[in-house]
Amino acid sequence: AQKVTQAQTEISVVEKEDVTLDCVYETRDTTYYLFWYKQPPSGELVFLIRRNSFDEQNEISGRYSWNFQKSTSSFNFTITASQVVDSAVYFCALSEERPGANSKLTFGKGITLSVRP
Amino acid sequence: ETGVTQTPRHLVMGMTNKKSLKCEQHLGHNAMYWYKQSAKKPLELMFVYSLEERVENNSVPSRFSPECPNSSHLFLHLHTLQPEDSALYLCASSRELAGGYNEQFFGPGTRLTVL
Repeated sequence: AQKVTQAQTEISVVEKEDVTLDCVYETRDTTYYLFWYKQPPSGELVFLIRRNSFDEQNEISGRYSWNFQKSTSSFNFTITASQVVDSAVYFCALSEERPGANSKLTFGKGITLSVRP
Repeated sequence: ETGVTQTPRHLVMGMTNKKSLKCEQHLGHNAMYWYKQSAKKPLELMFVYSLEERVENNSVPSRFSPECPNSSHLFLHLHTLQPEDSALYLCASSRELAGGYNEQFFGPGTRLTVL
């Protein structure tokens, strides 16, 4: 069975600080996909990134960066120079390869990030 | 409109009422999902539809009844709910079901309160 653990529940930082959100996953599959979603107060989950298990390259998109390490089963998310608009709940999710079947996402419990001015 | 829309955004109902939640996606996707998000619990997948056929039902009580008349619309019919059913109900869609690599796009959710 697949599992996603986000051990941090709430993080509070001051604007312009860097912050890292941790994600640890468990799966028996060799092919799988990892995702990060952002849920602002408006409610909808906003897709941020997808990473497949074969691609361990780290990715940077503006102030966001992701560190995928298969050796520790982690897919951590760093926000550089945080801003108040980054305040949201962030979810890490895992999907296993199921050709011809459903792409079931298993979510972590989410991390509530508060960025204070 | 673009993306995934859900109506109503807020709903208060009594335990004996019957109501329906509506989801519409404008992304040309052919898979749609219902999730339940309760306070301090992970998102729970309720139902999955692919090409208007239900492919997964995660042991959801029968007081929740989904309907997918076409690939753009998804409904969740509610009847005789319990207070513990109060939650945010999220709809999502994805391009196709095959494999696990297609990201899901979510609507804003319906905040349901059962009195």
